[in-house]
Amino acid sequence: LAKTTQPISMDSYEGQEVNITCSHNNIATNDYITWYQQFPSQGPRFIIQGYKTKVTNEVASLFIPADRKSSTLSLPRVSLSDTAVYYCLVGGLRAGGYQKVTFGIGTKLQVIP
Amino acid sequence: EPEVTQTPSHQVTQMGQEVILRCVPISNHLYFYWYRQILGQKVEFLVSFYNNEISEKSEIFDDQFSVERPDGSNFTLKIRSTKLEDSAMYFCASSEARDRVRETQYFGPGTRLLVL
Repeated sequence: LAKTTQPISMDSYEGQEVNITCSHNNIATNDYITWYQQFPSQGPRFIIQGYKTKVTNEVASLFIPADRKSSTLSLPRVSLSDTAVYYCLVGGLRAGGYQKVTFGIGTKLQVIP
Repeated sequence: EPEVTQTPSHQVTQMGQEVILRCVPISNHLYFYWYRQILGQKVEFLVSFYNNEISEKSEIFDDQFSVERPDGSNFTLKIRSTKLEDSAMYFCASSEARDRVRETQYFGPGTRLLVL
């Protein structure tokens, strides 16, 4: 499985755009990049998933360069409720059809009023 | 929006006791997973399950652990003889098998297990 590296922590003021970059140099051809958000004592919550280029949904954007060795999660105009740990996961399907992913330490985002 | 549910939310048990953690995956999902997270540490994969069989298990998932889908809706994790180090948050997840290219796992809220 590709190892991921992301900053341990980030601070941002409310209303700002936050970009969290994850590096995954050993990403495999069939791996997808998925970002999760986790609040204390809760389960990880799916944010966004992509394979290449740019993906956008109602909560975030995901930018993936052509070499796919990194990805950037972009959160527009963060609020205090976005304070959480954000995980970048790289994983693909196993022969049995299930997904295998490995969580890293994640990035602890603190939004400041 | 459909979601994964888990019961109980908290469980306290004595060392050596058996515990069963229960999960109800999203109804049309076919792949099921258990993870655990020791306080302050990262989320660790335990096991994946499909078609009534374990697909893959980690080193953590030793003979003390077992999983079962006893009926069409529940997915359980049993720890036969709990140890102090089993104290953790246990998360169930499920994925749809929508296509043969990618999957997205959806996680439940977790069961906090405390072994005394």
